[in-house]
Amino acid sequence: KQEVTQIPAALSVPEGENLVLNCSFTDSAIYNLQWFRQDPGKGLTSLLLIQSSQREQTSGRLNASLDKSSGRSTLYIAASQPGDSATYLCAVRPTATNKLIFGTGTLLAVQP
Amino acid sequence: DAGVIQSPRHEVTEMGQEVTLRCKPISGHDYLFWYRQTMMRGLELLIYFNNNVPIDDSGMPEDRFSAKMPNASFSTLKIQPSEPRDSAVYFCASSLHRGGAGEQFFGPGTRLTVL
Repeated sequence: KQEVTQIPAALSVPEGENLVLNCSFTDSAIYNLQWFRQDPGKGLTSLLLIQSSQREQTSGRLNASLDKSSGRSTLYIAASQPGDSATYLCAVRPTATNKLIFGTGTLLAVQP
Repeated sequence: DAGVIQSPRHEVTEMGQEVTLRCKPISGHDYLFWYRQTMMRGLELLIYFNNNVPIDDSGMPEDRFSAKMPNASFSTLKIQPSEPRDSAVYFCASSLHRGGAGEQFFGPGTRLTVL
């Protein structure tokens, strides 16, 4: 059974710092991995999607990497801003299914 | 596109009442998903549809829950009768797999409180 873990559960950093959020999954048979952010009381916003054949994807200050064989993905946020404060969720899509299996999220607080 | 639309945004009801949640997916998307989010269990997939056909409903907690997708632009999730433990945020998401990457886009959610 696929399990997705995110560490740390919470993170607080001062504005301007570069930071890394981690996601690990137990079964490497995945089709893709997706990173989301969720603001309090809101829905999920898709940030990046990495196909299983890709190593990384970039969007602005965000860079997501994928190491499928070791069951790991990281989300790198450069020059963090208070507006980046949110919960960040990773989700994997196992092969042969269209389901997403979600991690429990990392709550990020960027202090001004 | 307006994105995934859900209604109502908030619903407060009493135990035993019927609750109907509604979703309009992004136009042209061929998959629709219903999720539930709670503090204790996180995000859980309840059911998903492909081209209006239910594909996997193994996440539906019990017979009190039912979902329909009568056409490509509308889906409902119904709870009858509702119980306090059904209180959660319910999300609808849609994605395009045929010719697309299958990236899921979420609606704003319906916050359900059952008293």
